[in-house]
Amino acid sequence: QVQLVESGGGVVRPGRSLRLSCAASGFTFSGYTMHWVRQAPGKGLEWLAVIAYDGSYIFYADSVKGRFTISRDNSKNTVYLQMSNLRGEDAALYYCARRGSDAYNPYFDHWGQGTLVTVSS
Amino acid sequence: SSELTQDPAVSVALGQTVRITCQGDSLRVYYASWYQQKPGQAPILVIYGQNHRPSGIPDRFSGSNSGTTASLTIAGTQAEDEADYYCNSRDSSGNHVFGAGTKVTVL
Repeated sequence: QVQLVESGGGVVRPGRSLRLSCAASGFTFSGYTMHWVRQAPGKGLEWLAVIAYDGSYIFYADSVKGRFTISRDNSKNTVYLQMSNLRGEDAALYYCARRGSDAYNPYFDHWGQGTLVTVSS
Repeated sequence: SSELTQDPAVSVALGQTVRITCQGDSLRVYYASWYQQKPGQAPILVIYGQNHRPSGIPDRFSGSNSGTTASLTIAGTQAEDEADYYCNSRDSSGNHVFGAGTKVTVL
């Protein structure tokens, strides 16, 4: 069965960096586009970034563009989110999600359980 | 601010039908997808495309689209359907965007 397991969250000071990982299993990872989505405490879902199955395209939400970098290693079945210059508003539960098969009408057919990032001095 | 607009909350009597809407200009071009999220859990996909349900999603969940509005309908609402529901589609730049979510309370 499809599994996505995020890791790397923790407590970090403002202005510092953190790298999140999402380990995938149960499917052919190299064939799927992957996303990162976050949810601040008590708030809604916010889409952050997408990376194509082969890394050929990458897009970011304006809120993280220039600070966050999405990447993947298909040999390790893992997608990453490098976060730099973290701010208080970046505190959230970070999910990775797999894109469904329709490239034009987006949907996320599997989600991980999330990894929590706390930004505090 | 989100380019997809959802009502913050809706309530429904047990066994009745509830419709949750999502409005946005991009919905003229793209279908919305819908996600259910219960407290402390990750979201799960309930509807995608024109009106498709992933395996395991009960057939009381259905989706529809008209102009700039996408709708999620739960017919014969059950107590376990109480949750937050989010729509998702593309925004004006082609990136992905979520609505702010609708809290469904089952009375």
